[in-house]
Amino acid sequence: EVQLVESGGGLVKPGGSLRLSCAASGFTFSSYTMHWVRQAPGKGLEWVSSISSSVTYIFYADSLKGRFTISRDNAKNSLYLQMNSLRAEDTAVYYCARDGPAIVGPGRWYFDLWGRGTLVTVSS
Amino acid sequence: QSALTQPASVSGSPGQSITISCSGTSSDVGGYNYVSWYQQYPGKAPKLMIYDVTNRPSGVSNRFSGSRSGNTASLTISGLQAEDEADYYCSSYTSSSTLVFGGGTKLTVL
Repeated sequence: EVQLVESGGGLVKPGGSLRLSCAASGFTFSSYTMHWVRQAPGKGLEWVSSISSSVTYIFYADSLKGRFTISRDNAKNSLYLQMNSLRAEDTAVYYCARDGPAIVGPGRWYFDLWGRGTLVTVSS
Repeated sequence: QSALTQPASVSGSPGQSITISCSGTSSDVGGYNYVSWYQQYPGKAPKLMIYDVTNRPSGVSNRFSGSRSGNTASLTISGLQAEDEADYYCSSYTSSSTLVFGGGTKLTVL
């Protein structure tokens, strides 16, 4: 089955760190750009970061200001998001999402496969 | 990067057509063909409905269509059905090599 499964969410104190993981299956993970998208409770979608298939292109939302780091392990079919210096406003469901099929370049900038998300709560 | 502008809510009766707008700038919506639309039910992950401004993924009803005029993209749903009641988000690639979403539109089927 083609799917993405996120894990690693939970409750963390302000200033703390968390590492999210996304396990891909059912498709050739190494051929796709991947993204993280988040959604605060009751709010809209917010793009967080993207990483191209061969890690040539990595982009982040300006608002993150260097606190988050995206990475991937194509041998393990896994995507990661290292989140440091967490703030209350980082509280959200974090989705892993697959970019559209692309032969070259940073991606197609649309998301044709989503995971169910993992909830990150930043609170003291 | 500011969010794209969508109406907070739209409504329509079954069988009618509705259009949701998504306003941006020449640095995003108007400058690239990377405009997409997503449908989201409460508590669920979003689903891709339109990509590259006008393209519909396999399996998405042809009642859904996308278009663009200048810096404003639109999603039109024809023959409105009760199951279309959901939140809809537009997104666009930007000149900063980032992606920006719209604030979302809640569609109510009366």
